[in-house]
Amino acid sequence: DSGVTQTPKHLITATGQRVTLRCSPRSGDLSVYWYQQSLDQGLQFLIQYYNGEERAKGNILERFSAQQFPDLHSELNLSSLELGDSALYFCASSEVGDDGYTFGSGTRLTVV
Amino acid sequence: AQSVAQPEDQVNVAEGNPLTVKCTYSVSGNPYLFWYVQYPNRGLQFLLKYITGDNLVKGSYGFEAEFNKSQTSFHLKKPSALVSDSALYFCAVRDLGGYNKLIFGAGTRLAVHP
Repeated sequence: DSGVTQTPKHLITATGQRVTLRCSPRSGDLSVYWYQQSLDQGLQFLIQYYNGEERAKGNILERFSAQQFPDLHSELNLSSLELGDSALYFCASSEVGDDGYTFGSGTRLTVV
Repeated sequence: AQSVAQPEDQVNVAEGNPLTVKCTYSVSGNPYLFWYVQYPNRGLQFLLKYITGDNLVKGSYGFEAEFNKSQTSFHLKKPSALVSDSALYFCAVRDLGGYNKLIFGAGTRLAVHP
Protein backbone atom coordinates (compact mmCIF):
# COMPACT_ATOMS: atom_id res chain seq x y z
CA ASP A 1 0.00 0.00 0.00
CA SER A 2 1.57 3.24 -1.19
CA GLY A 3 -0.51 5.46 1.08
CA VAL A 4 -2.32 7.09 -1.85
CA THR A 5 -5.87 5.77 -2.13
CA GLN A 6 -7.93 5.93 -5.28
CA THR A 7 -11.55 4.95 -5.61
CA PRO A 8 -13.18 3.31 -7.36
CA LYS A 9 -10.68 0.84 -8.82
CA HIS A 10 -12.86 0.09 -11.81
CA LEU A 11 -15.65 2.03 -13.44
CA ILE A 12 -17.76 1.14 -16.45
CA THR A 13 -20.12 3.75 -17.77
CA ALA A 14 -21.89 4.78 -20.94
CA THR A 15 -21.03 7.54 -23.36
CA GLY A 16 -22.42 10.90 -22.37
CA GLN A 17 -22.35 10.14 -18.67
CA ARG A 18 -20.44 11.86 -15.87
CA VAL A 19 -18.19 10.23 -13.30
CA THR A 20 -16.15 11.32 -10.31
CA LEU A 21 -12.83 9.78 -9.39
CA ARG A 22 -11.52 10.24 -5.88
CA CYS A 23 -8.02 10.42 -4.51
CA SER A 24 -6.76 10.59 -0.92
CA PRO A 25 -3.12 11.61 -0.80
CA ARG A 26 -0.47 10.15 1.47
CA SER A 27 -0.66 11.59 4.95
CA GLY A 28 1.12 14.94 5.09
CA ASP A 29 1.36 15.41 1.33
CA LEU A 30 -0.05 18.72 0.15
CA SER A 31 0.32 18.26 -3.60
CA VAL A 32 -1.94 16.07 -5.71
CA TYR A 33 -1.38 15.30 -9.38
CA TRP A 34 -3.70 13.62 -11.85
CA TYR A 35 -2.45 11.66 -14.85
CA GLN A 36 -4.20 9.80 -17.62
CA GLN A 37 -2.63 6.64 -19.00
CA SER A 38 -3.98 5.35 -22.27
CA LEU A 39 -2.53 2.72 -24.56
CA ASP A 40 -1.56 5.04 -27.35
CA GLN A 41 -0.54 8.16 -25.44
CA GLY A 42 1.45 7.03 -22.45
CA LEU A 43 1.19 8.96 -19.20
CA GLN A 44 -0.33 12.39 -19.72
CA PHE A 45 -0.33 15.06 -17.04
CA LEU A 46 -3.77 16.50 -16.42
CA ILE A 47 -3.66 18.82 -13.43
CA GLN A 48 -1.94 19.59 -10.13
CA TYR A 49 -3.27 20.98 -6.87
CA TYR A 50 -1.31 22.23 -3.92
CA ASN A 51 -3.07 22.74 -0.60
CA GLY A 52 -6.38 23.37 -2.28
CA GLU A 53 -5.17 25.60 -5.10
CA GLU A 54 -4.66 24.71 -8.73
CA ARG A 55 -0.95 24.98 -9.54
CA ALA A 56 -0.42 23.50 -12.98
CA LYS A 57 -2.58 22.41 -15.83
CA GLY A 58 -1.72 20.03 -18.62
CA ASN A 59 -3.69 18.71 -21.55
CA ILE A 60 -6.92 18.51 -19.63
CA LEU A 61 -10.11 18.63 -21.65
CA GLU A 62 -12.76 21.22 -20.87
CA ARG A 63 -15.12 18.34 -20.08
CA PHE A 64 -12.80 17.41 -17.21
CA SER A 65 -12.44 19.31 -13.97
CA ALA A 66 -10.83 18.72 -10.62
CA GLN A 67 -10.63 20.15 -7.16
CA GLN A 68 -8.81 19.60 -3.91
CA PHE A 69 -10.77 19.87 -0.70
CA PRO A 70 -9.71 21.25 2.70
CA ASP A 71 -8.95 17.74 3.94
CA LEU A 72 -6.60 17.49 0.92
CA HIS A 73 -8.44 14.75 -0.89
CA SER A 74 -9.03 15.45 -4.57
CA GLU A 75 -11.71 14.61 -7.07
CA LEU A 76 -11.48 14.43 -10.84
CA ASN A 77 -14.78 14.95 -12.60
CA LEU A 78 -15.20 13.67 -16.14
CA SER A 79 -18.35 14.63 -18.02
CA SER A 80 -19.93 13.99 -21.42
CA LEU A 81 -17.81 10.89 -21.59
CA GLU A 82 -16.60 9.57 -24.92
CA LEU A 83 -15.19 6.18 -25.88
CA GLY A 84 -11.74 7.76 -26.11
CA ASP A 85 -11.82 8.69 -22.44
CA SER A 86 -11.37 5.05 -21.55
CA ALA A 87 -8.06 4.91 -19.72
CA LEU A 88 -6.32 4.43 -16.43
CA TYR A 89 -6.44 7.55 -14.29
CA PHE A 90 -3.72 7.90 -11.72
CA CYS A 91 -3.42 10.19 -8.78
CA ALA A 92 -0.07 10.91 -7.17
CA SER A 93 0.95 12.99 -4.19
CA SER A 94 4.10 14.58 -2.91
CA GLU A 95 5.22 16.59 0.08
CA VAL A 96 6.79 20.02 0.08
CA GLY A 97 10.38 19.82 -1.10
CA ASP A 98 10.07 16.20 -2.19
CA ASP A 99 11.22 15.57 -5.70
CA GLY A 100 9.31 12.39 -6.41
CA TYR A 101 5.75 11.20 -6.32
CA THR A 102 3.84 8.45 -4.62
CA PHE A 103 1.24 6.98 -6.95
CA GLY A 104 -2.09 5.42 -6.21
CA SER A 105 -3.09 2.19 -7.92
CA GLY A 106 -5.34 3.99 -10.36
CA THR A 107 -8.94 3.94 -11.54
CA ARG A 108 -9.63 2.02 -14.72
CA LEU A 109 -12.40 3.80 -16.59
CA THR A 110 -14.18 2.01 -19.41
CA VAL A 111 -16.67 3.98 -21.47
CA VAL A 112 -19.03 1.83 -23.52
CA ALA B 1 10.30 22.84 -22.56
CA GLN B 2 11.54 19.85 -20.65
CA SER B 3 11.08 16.40 -22.16
CA VAL B 4 12.35 12.85 -21.99
CA ALA B 5 12.49 10.21 -24.68
CA GLN B 6 12.57 6.47 -24.35
CA PRO B 7 13.65 5.22 -27.76
CA GLU B 8 12.72 1.57 -27.24
CA ASP B 9 9.14 0.36 -26.92
CA GLN B 10 10.34 -3.00 -25.66
CA VAL B 11 13.55 -4.53 -24.38
CA ASN B 12 14.05 -8.27 -24.25
CA VAL B 13 16.74 -9.86 -22.11
CA ALA B 14 17.52 -13.31 -20.78
CA GLU B 15 17.42 -13.92 -17.06
CA GLY B 16 20.84 -13.43 -15.51
CA ASN B 17 22.04 -11.09 -18.25
CA PRO B 18 22.62 -7.38 -17.70
CA LEU B 19 19.84 -5.06 -18.78
CA THR B 20 19.74 -1.47 -19.96
CA VAL B 21 16.65 0.66 -20.52
CA LYS B 22 17.45 3.88 -22.32
CA CYS B 23 16.33 7.42 -21.61
CA THR B 24 17.45 10.74 -23.04
CA TYR B 25 16.39 14.11 -21.81
CA SER B 26 16.06 17.67 -22.99
CA VAL B 27 16.04 20.39 -20.35
CA SER B 28 17.18 23.93 -19.90
CA GLY B 29 19.30 23.97 -16.78
CA ASN B 30 20.15 21.13 -14.45
CA PRO B 31 17.84 18.16 -14.81
CA TYR B 32 16.02 16.35 -12.05
CA LEU B 33 15.55 12.83 -13.44
CA PHE B 34 13.58 9.84 -12.22
CA TRP B 35 12.82 6.23 -13.02
CA TYR B 36 9.53 4.56 -12.14
CA VAL B 37 8.33 1.00 -12.67
CA GLN B 38 4.77 -0.17 -13.28
CA TYR B 39 3.76 -3.76 -12.69
CA PRO B 40 0.50 -5.04 -14.23
CA ASN B 41 -2.61 -3.54 -12.67
CA ARG B 42 -0.53 -1.45 -10.28
CA GLY B 43 0.42 2.19 -9.95
CA LEU B 44 3.88 3.48 -10.71
CA GLN B 45 6.57 2.81 -8.12
CA PHE B 46 9.60 5.02 -7.58
CA LEU B 47 12.93 3.36 -8.40
CA LEU B 48 15.54 6.10 -8.20
CA LYS B 49 16.30 9.72 -8.90
CA TYR B 50 19.16 11.97 -9.90
CA ILE B 51 19.26 15.49 -8.51
CA THR B 52 22.94 16.26 -8.24
CA GLY B 53 26.20 14.60 -7.23
CA ASP B 54 27.39 11.16 -8.26
CA ASN B 55 26.57 10.26 -11.84
CA LEU B 56 25.80 6.68 -10.83
CA VAL B 57 22.62 6.51 -8.81
CA LYS B 58 21.59 3.38 -6.95
CA GLY B 59 17.94 2.58 -6.40
CA SER B 60 15.47 -0.07 -5.40
CA TYR B 61 15.52 -3.76 -6.39
CA GLY B 62 19.17 -3.65 -7.49
CA PHE B 63 18.62 -1.07 -10.20
CA GLU B 64 20.98 1.79 -10.91
CA ALA B 65 21.09 4.59 -13.43
CA GLU B 66 23.92 6.49 -14.99
CA PHE B 67 23.60 10.20 -15.62
CA ASN B 68 25.61 11.38 -18.61
CA LYS B 69 25.48 15.11 -19.14
CA SER B 70 27.38 15.16 -22.44
CA GLN B 71 25.05 12.60 -23.96
CA THR B 72 21.97 13.93 -22.13
CA SER B 73 21.14 10.40 -21.09
CA PHE B 74 19.94 8.68 -17.95
CA HIS B 75 19.93 4.97 -18.71
CA LEU B 76 18.56 2.45 -16.24
CA LYS B 77 20.70 -0.61 -15.61
CA LYS B 78 20.83 -3.82 -13.66
CA PRO B 79 23.76 -6.25 -13.66
CA SER B 80 21.65 -9.41 -13.61
CA ALA B 81 18.01 -9.43 -14.74
CA LEU B 82 15.27 -11.40 -13.01
CA VAL B 83 12.04 -12.65 -14.57
CA SER B 84 10.25 -10.63 -11.89
CA ASP B 85 11.80 -7.43 -13.33
CA SER B 86 9.44 -7.76 -16.29
CA ALA B 87 7.33 -4.60 -16.20
CA LEU B 88 6.81 -1.20 -17.79
CA TYR B 89 9.53 1.35 -17.01
CA PHE B 90 9.11 5.09 -17.20
CA CYS B 91 11.75 7.78 -17.24
CA ALA B 92 10.66 11.24 -16.04
CA VAL B 93 12.03 14.74 -15.70
CA ARG B 94 10.92 17.44 -13.35
CA ASP B 95 9.35 20.42 -15.04
CA LEU B 96 11.47 23.22 -13.64
CA GLY B 97 8.75 25.79 -14.16
CA GLY B 98 5.94 23.70 -12.87
CA TYR B 99 5.71 23.21 -9.13
CA ASN B 100 7.29 19.78 -9.05
CA LYS B 101 5.32 18.46 -12.00
CA LEU B 102 6.92 15.42 -13.63
CA ILE B 103 6.97 14.84 -17.36
CA PHE B 104 7.08 11.17 -18.27
CA GLY B 105 8.47 9.33 -21.24
CA ALA B 106 6.31 6.95 -23.24
CA GLY B 107 7.55 3.94 -21.31
CA THR B 108 9.61 0.87 -22.18
CA ARG B 109 8.31 -2.62 -21.65
CA LEU B 110 10.99 -4.91 -20.25
CA ALA B 111 10.56 -8.62 -20.84
CA VAL B 112 12.97 -10.94 -19.05
CA HIS B 113 12.91 -14.50 -20.37
CA PRO B 114 13.86 -17.54 -18.28
